[in-house]
Amino acid sequence: EIVLTQSPGTLSLSPGERATLSCRASQSVSRHYIAWYQQKAGQAPRLLIYAASSRATGVPDRFSGSGSGTDFTLTISRLEPEDFAVYHCQQYESSPRRFTFGPGTKVDIK
Amino acid sequence: EVQLLESGGGLVHPGGSLRLSCSASGFTFSTYGMSWVRQAPGKGLEWVSGISSTGDSTYFADSVKGRFTISRDNSKNALYLQMNSLTAEDTAVYYCAKFTINWYYFEYWGQGTLVTVSS
Repeated sequence: EIVLTQSPGTLSLSPGERATLSCRASQSVSRHYIAWYQQKAGQAPRLLIYAASSRATGVPDRFSGSGSGTDFTLTISRLEPEDFAVYHCQQYESSPRRFTFGPGTKVDIK
Repeated sequence: EVQLLESGGGLVHPGGSLRLSCSASGFTFSTYGMSWVRQAPGKGLEWVSGISSTGDSTYFADSVKGRFTISRDNSKNALYLQMNSLTAEDTAVYYCAKFTINWYYFEYWGQGTLVTVSS
């Protein structure tokens, strides 16, 4: 089973700053199988990035994803007040079919 | 607009059972695989179960295999999760989620329903 590790656990930044979030897999994962979600307090998660670097519908272009193999990154170029939230990475395995999430990175206001 | 509305959560004793429902609208329900994902209080997300568009294929996390059953009624645009032999470790908010067409990601999520297992 592939395990996802996210770092840092918490990222304290100010609005306007750049956020770089890491997701590391315990073994190589196809970039087609990597997604990122944003979850604000008391809300359901929202799909942000799929296939490692494609933005979901309606996601602002300040959000970008990159990476391959075991290392994937979510970057928020300039933090807006509404971006302070928890971000989860997720991977898909086809055989057996299962889905794994990382523990999440909380981006909070410094 | 895609809408997913969960119901059926509540307080249940250890060893008890509960059935969750998810009512879907805003898309052709019978075309998409569906899933349940849970989140224990203060914890991360955990995939629980998935079901194909026709209901012919089902998948479960090891943590719930043999205890939970997933099903759907495409005539009612409804998804279900039957949970048996519940333990405190099953306490979580349970989200209904719509897969993308390729099954790789969770495209839309409901607001969740809280299941609390406690004596």
